[in-house]
Amino acid sequence: DGGITQSPKYLFRKEGQNVTLSCEQNLNHDAMYWYRQDPGQGLRLIYYSQIVNDFQKGDIAEGYSVSREKKESFPLTVTSAQKNPTAFYLCASSPPRHQGGWSGYTFGSGTRLTVV
Amino acid sequence: AQSVTQLGSHVSVSEGALVLLRCNYSSSVPPYLFWYVQYPNQGLQLLLKYTSAATLVKGINGFEAEFKKSETSFHLTKPSAHMSDAAEYFCAVSEGFGNEKLTFGTGTRLTIIP
Repeated sequence: DGGITQSPKYLFRKEGQNVTLSCEQNLNHDAMYWYRQDPGQGLRLIYYSQIVNDFQKGDIAEGYSVSREKKESFPLTVTSAQKNPTAFYLCASSPPRHQGGWSGYTFGSGTRLTVV
Repeated sequence: AQSVTQLGSHVSVSEGALVLLRCNYSSSVPPYLFWYVQYPNQGLQLLLKYTSAATLVKGINGFEAEFKKSETSFHLTKPSAHMSDAAEYFCAVSEGFGNEKLTFGTGTRLTIIP
């Protein structure tokens, strides 16, 4: 079955460390997205990529970095510059939008990052 | 620019009662509208979507939503709440052909009272 796999499910980071969250999809979707979720704030867009080797900053990109070397993979690195990284991180993907309909986003199951 | 407003961050209903979760959108062109559901510590799952076909859209788990252009609304309803409906619900809008970005509301947490 096609889907999006995020790993790990839980991740603990020490102060000053960089950590990388994995996101892999086998849906053959062109676009991929990273969101951060905090209680009461909904989903905030960190980065998105519409094609391999290209990505754009979202609303809260500071302290994060991404790469898109393969269509299937869109890893997110939370750097030490991110002052408050404790949150739930969600990866999503979507197919191209054509006239007549669009399926929207497919989400992974998320990674909960905690700073210790 | 597109935006979504979900009225009520928390909604409580009794088991068996009507569920009504409100969503209003802002879009300069005919939008695509979505409702997603999220259970604790999980990703978002698509409930239903409106993509300019029928204005009354039926989704999974007995939910439905009606697109009302005059009211710029896309409220989510279910005739009879079940305990398993307890979750967080997100409304989202995508504006215009070729725009593949979704803008999400801040979510509504639904609690079911036994």
